[in-house]
Amino acid sequence: DAGVIQSPRHEVTEMGQEVTLRCKPISGHDYLFWYRQTMMRGLELLIYFNNNVPIDDSGMPEDRFSAKMPNASFSTLKIQPSEPRDSAVYFCASRGTSGSNEQYFGPGTRLTVT
Amino acid sequence: AQRVTQPEKLLSVFKGAPVELKCNYSYSGSPELFWYVQYSRQRLQLLLRHISRESIKGFTADLNKGETSFHLKKPFAQEEDSAMYYCALSTGRRAGNMLTFGGGTRLMVKP
Repeated sequence: DAGVIQSPRHEVTEMGQEVTLRCKPISGHDYLFWYRQTMMRGLELLIYFNNNVPIDDSGMPEDRFSAKMPNASFSTLKIQPSEPRDSAVYFCASRGTSGSNEQYFGPGTRLTVT
Repeated sequence: AQRVTQPEKLLSVFKGAPVELKCNYSYSGSPELFWYVQYSRQRLQLLLRHISRESIKGFTADLNKGETSFHLKKPFAQEEDSAMYYCALSTGRRAGNMLTFGGGTRLMVKP
């Protein structure tokens, strides 16, 4: 398995534009998590899904942020409209139901909003 | 609510010196604790978990329920240990399998 896949790896956009980040979890994993990492706040959980259903979105900062998981192998995190303070690295992680609660992280998407 | 505290944002040591990265947690139930490491511009990866009681890359961590701590230790630091380290707490399946991360500690090992 290639692990958790995220695209794009880098995104530079102008303020006001829509940004869509993509994630493919590890096959067979039924939990998917979106995190944001910044120097100031460290690693923050934004939202997580179980069996494609959003379970907890309390970490989503504003209505400008939305996330979907249309099927077990794909999720998106959308920011519309984007703002400079959204600049961060966004990580996706997945985990299965057996064994420990270890999460497997993707390489991240580095977002820069100018 | 659960919380993970890593009191040091930056820890700088010389090569060969002992290292201890502190982690304290608050949780009323039975915790599962992890250390994740992030090398420069790479993804987070699991370093070790308390239930395994193993040593990875010379690092160990012991869960101390009395002190609610899970400090990460290594007797002799190497330059390649320089990275960001995150302590994480899982509160189990009933709580949705979420991981609560600490703020992270950047370890710099100087030659």
